[in-house]
Amino acid sequence: EAQVTQNPRYLITVTGKKLTVTCSQNMNHEYMSWYRQDPGLGLRQIYYSMNVEVTDKGDVPEGYKVSRKEKRNFPLILESPSPNQTSLYFCASSLAGPGANVLTFGAGSRLTVL
Amino acid sequence: GENVEQHPSTLSVQEGDSAVIKCTYSDSASNYFPWYKQELGKRPQLIIDIRSNVGEKKDQRIAVTLNKTAKHFSLHITETQPEDSAVYFCATNAGGTSYGKLTFGQGTILTVHP
Repeated sequence: EAQVTQNPRYLITVTGKKLTVTCSQNMNHEYMSWYRQDPGLGLRQIYYSMNVEVTDKGDVPEGYKVSRKEKRNFPLILESPSPNQTSLYFCASSLAGPGANVLTFGAGSRLTVL
Repeated sequence: GENVEQHPSTLSVQEGDSAVIKCTYSDSASNYFPWYKQELGKRPQLIIDIRSNVGEKKDQRIAVTLNKTAKHFSLHITETQPEDSAVYFCATNAGGTSYGKLTFGQGTILTVHP
């Protein structure tokens, strides 16, 4: 089944404790992206990747890191999480860039930072 | 960067009525305008999209219209049904060198009352 898989789905952590949210897709998509969803703010793009070893900042990249060493994986790293990073995170992928392709979203990862 | 404004933030209609959600954008280079539907607790999924060389597109009860001169596009749902109740997001890409970005609106909570 074609899908985008995120882990963990739920996580409660404490300020400053490094964490990684993994994202993997099995559709051979070139484009991958991370979004955070907050009430009243919609989906805001954190980082995106057009292909392996090619990443770029979205609209809210502060406090996050990403890497794209393999085509299928695009982990989101929070080096020192803070309470304002409490959010619902979505990974998404598409065949090529978002200009002409449907985004397939993962199920979401709900992160709480205490 | 691209700025997308979506209105209204909430919309309540009776079953069978029509619903209209409007988005405005700032980047004149934007050329792709998708709409995503997110049911409660689920991931966003594409319901319809339009490209800048088309003014209107229809798919059964849903339609999207685009006015590039005025930089706005709208989602129209006719003969609404309770299962249309969800959060709807518009989005648009940033053209030119930022073509990896996809900016979403703030979302509209649509409630269809039986």
